[in-house]
Amino acid sequence: KQEVTQIPAALSVPEGENLVLNCSFTDSAIYNLQWFRQDPGKGLTSLLLIQSSQREQTSGRLNASLDKSSGRSTLYIAASQPGDSATYLCAVRGSARQLTFGSGTQLTVLP
Amino acid sequence: DAGVTQSPTHLIKTRGQQVTLRCSPKSGHDTVSWYQQALGQGPQFIFQYYEEEERQRGNFPDRFSGHQFPNYSSELNVNALLLGDSALYLCASSLAGWRGASYEQYFGPGTRLTVT
Repeated sequence: KQEVTQIPAALSVPEGENLVLNCSFTDSAIYNLQWFRQDPGKGLTSLLLIQSSQREQTSGRLNASLDKSSGRSTLYIAASQPGDSATYLCAVRGSARQLTFGSGTQLTVLP
Repeated sequence: DAGVTQSPTHLIKTRGQQVTLRCSPKSGHDTVSWYQQALGQGPQFIFQYYEEEERQRGNFPDRFSGHQFPNYSSELNVNALLLGDSALYLCASSLAGWRGASYEQYFGPGTRLTVT
């Protein structure tokens, strides 16, 4: 059974800092990995999708890497802003075809 | 281009009642998945519909059932509601979810269900 873990559970940083969120998964047989953002009480916004054959994806100030063999992914956020404050969720899509999510990292960027 | 839409936004029900939640997928998508998200947790997979059939199911009891219509929209039904069913219910759509496992999933805003 796939299990996804996100560390840390919560993170508070001053504006302008670069930061890294971590995601690990137990079964390396995945099709892809997605990073999502969730604002309080809202749905999920897809940030980046990394296919199993890829090593990283970039979108603006966001960069996500994937090391499938070690079961790890990182989301790098450059020059953080207060508007980046949200919960960030990592999800993997494996042989069961469904997304398995971690519990998320709650990020607060202080002005 | 409309994204994934869900209705209603919020719902309050009493224990033992039944509820129906609705989802319209993103334009061009043919696969709908439903997830339950308890407070402070990541979403948990309930089931997935493709070509009007349930293709995959997570670890949820038979009280949870669904339907997909010819226009790809979907309903989630929950019978005999329990207090523990209180959660945010999320719908996600993608292309050919059963075969196209590499496709990105897009989520709707969710329906907040409160059971009292």
